[in-house]
Amino acid sequence: EVQLVESGGGLVQPGGSLRLSCAASGFIFSSYWMHWVRQAPGKGLVWVSRINSDGSGTGYADSVKGRFTISRDNAKNTLYVQMNSLRGEDTAVYYCAREVGGGMHYWGQGTLVTVSS
Amino acid sequence: QSALTQPPSASGSPGQSVTISCTGTSSDVGGYNYVSWYQQHPGKAPKLMIFEVSKRPSGVPDRFSGSKSGNTASLTVSGLQAEDEADYYCSSYAGSNNFAFGGGTKLTVL
Repeated sequence: EVQLVESGGGLVQPGGSLRLSCAASGFIFSSYWMHWVRQAPGKGLVWVSRINSDGSGTGYADSVKGRFTISRDNAKNTLYVQMNSLRGEDTAVYYCAREVGGGMHYWGQGTLVTVSS
Repeated sequence: QSALTQPPSASGSPGQSVTISCTGTSSDVGGYNYVSWYQQHPGKAPKLMIFEVSKRPSGVPDRFSGSKSGNTASLTVSGLQAEDEADYYCSSYAGSNNFAFGGGTKLTVL
């Protein structure tokens, strides 16, 4: 069974940093492109970042470019996003998702990041 | 990067059909056949309903169908059922390792 489990969320002050993790199981993690998608409370889905299967290619939404870094450790079956210079508008539930054919076929349950003083 | 445009709401009675549109540009929806649709119930993670414009993942009822014409993609739900009431989001590849989501459509089953 495919499972994606996010962790690392919590309360952080504006300007602070946080690293989220997404532990993958039930599939060959190193074969799939992966994404981070976020959803602010009561708002819609927003794409954050994508990484290819071996970690050599990445993409970012303009709103996080230069502040967030996506990475993966295929030996540990884990996806990461390092979030720096956090702002109030980064407050959201962050989901990791597995992609095939441009579609995000599997999603984790999400982890909540709250940026507030 | 711009969000794709969806109507904020749609509705239909049980058994009816409803179509939700998703309008982008030639740089995203119109330029690639990588349009997908997601269903999200309150408090739950999104669920993929359609990928590559019109393909259904296993387990998704054939009442759900997708299409695209130019810069606009559409999701049609036929034979509406109460459990179809949810938020629906479109997404498209936008080139250079970028993606975009629509703002979401709240589907109400009357």
